[in-house]
Amino acid sequence: NAGVTQTPKFRILKIGQSMTLQCAQDMNHNYMYWYRQDPGMGLKLIYYSVGAGITDKGEVPNGYNVSRSTTEDFPLRLELAAPSQTSVYFCASSYIRLAGSAGDTQYFGPGTRLTVL
Amino acid sequence: ILNVEQSPQSLHVQEGDSTNFTCSFPSSNFYALHWYRWETAKSPEALFVMTLNGDEKKKGRISATLNTKEGYSYLYIKGSQPEDSATYLCAYNAGNNRKLIWGLGTSLAVNP
Repeated sequence: NAGVTQTPKFRILKIGQSMTLQCAQDMNHNYMYWYRQDPGMGLKLIYYSVGAGITDKGEVPNGYNVSRSTTEDFPLRLELAAPSQTSVYFCASSYIRLAGSAGDTQYFGPGTRLTVL
Repeated sequence: ILNVEQSPQSLHVQEGDSTNFTCSFPSSNFYALHWYRWETAKSPEALFVMTLNGDEKKKGRISATLNTKEGYSYLYIKGSQPEDSATYLCAYNAGNNRKLIWGLGTSLAVNP
C-alpha cells in the first residue's frame, strides 16, 4: 500500500492564482482530513470528509474548498491564493468504525509546502 | 474551545538520558488521547491511542500513561537515542467527535 499520497510536494503561487492540492489514499479509509501547519501554531483542521459525497468545515475553512467524489480522493482547492495561505498542508485519513470503538488513528501524507508571493 | 497543552515546549537531553513530557486536556467528555511522533521533514506518525483511565501503552523504549479524571497523559522515553529526536504531539478526541484537537508538541533533541 502506498498509504496517503499528496501532490505536489512544493508549489509557489502568485497572489490570486488558483490551484488544487491532490490527496489520495489506498487504505479504504472512510474519513479524510486536510490540515495546515504554520510555525508555532500546530495543526489546524481545514476540512474533513466522513465518506464519499460528504464534507464538512474544520477550524479554518475560509479560502478553501473540497470535494469527495470517491473514497480514495480528497482534493483541496484554493481559488484565490493569498499570502496568508502560505503553509504546509497535510492530508490524513482514518478508518472510523461504528460508535463505541476505540479512538481512531489518523495516517498522514508527506505534506505539500505552499508559498504564495 | 477545547485546549490541549503540552509541556515542555522543547527539551534537550544527552544520549542515554530518560525523559518525559506532559499532555493536558479537558477531563470532561473524554473519548481518546493520541500520541504522534513527527520527525523534521516528514509527516506525523501515530505512536499510541489511549481511551481508558489508567491505560498504559508501550512501544520499545517509549511508553505512555493516561489519567482521564485529571486530564493528563505522560509520554516517557527510556534511554534516549539521537534517532528519538522529533516533535511529539498529543491530540484529543472529545465525546464521539472524530475531529482531533492538537497540542503544539514537545520538541526533543537528543545529543550524541
